Amino acid sequence: AQSVTQLGSHVSVSEGALVLLRCNYSSSVPPYLFWYVQYPNQGLQLLLKYTSAATLVKGINGFEAEFKKSETSFHLTKPSAHMSDAAEYFCAVSDNTGGFKTIFGAGTRLFVKA
Amino acid sequence: GAVVSQHPSWVICKSGTSVKIECRSLDFQATTMFWYRQFPKQSLMLMATSNEGSKATYEQGVEKDKFLINHASLTLSTLTVTSAHPEDSSFYICSATGSGTSGSQFFGPGTRLTVL
Repeated sequence: AQSVTQLGSHVSVSEGALVLLRCNYSSSVPPYLFWYVQYPNQGLQLLLKYTSAATLVKGINGFEAEFKKSETSFHLTKPSAHMSDAAEYFCAVSDNTGGFKTIFGAGTRLFVKA
Repeated sequence: GAVVSQHPSWVICKSGTSVKIECRSLDFQATTMFWYRQFPKQSLMLMATSNEGSKATYEQGVEKDKFLINHASLTLSTLTVTSAHPEDSSFYICSATGSGTSGSQFFGPGTRLTVL
């Protein structure tokens, strides 16, 4: 069965600083991995996804994530935080068993200080 | 990307009544749709998976008689919360995957249900 662990329920960075949100996964088969962002009272927006192609995945809004099989990690980074990046971020895993059922991590709230 | 809509975006109802939430895929055929609920400041919890034309598969602990799911067409799935109670108040989000989505799920904007 798949599972996702997001380290840190809250992360606070200064505007312009590096953003690093951590995600570790477990899956019995090669996984698909995703990062989603959620703004208050809204649905989820896909930031990026890994589907067994390049291990470094670039997404929208300057975010990227690197798939590291040896570490079972898929951490999300952005070189320079912007105030508009403040939101809830979810890491998720799915695989081709069970009809691509997606399991979400607990989420990490990103705060950006001026 | 593919677009998924939900209706209504928010609903307030009295305890004991039933509420229906619609999830539509607007520009692709959704062979599989998922329903999630999200409590405030928490993650999404998968409630059920529905395949077009089949009965939904519910996750452990989800009452199938309380949360009725119908996926009668390739573009529409409905979630009916029957005899709603205040503890059913939550944010309900659907997602869909299907032809042309490369296994990705596309999420609806969510429905805020408040039961008084």
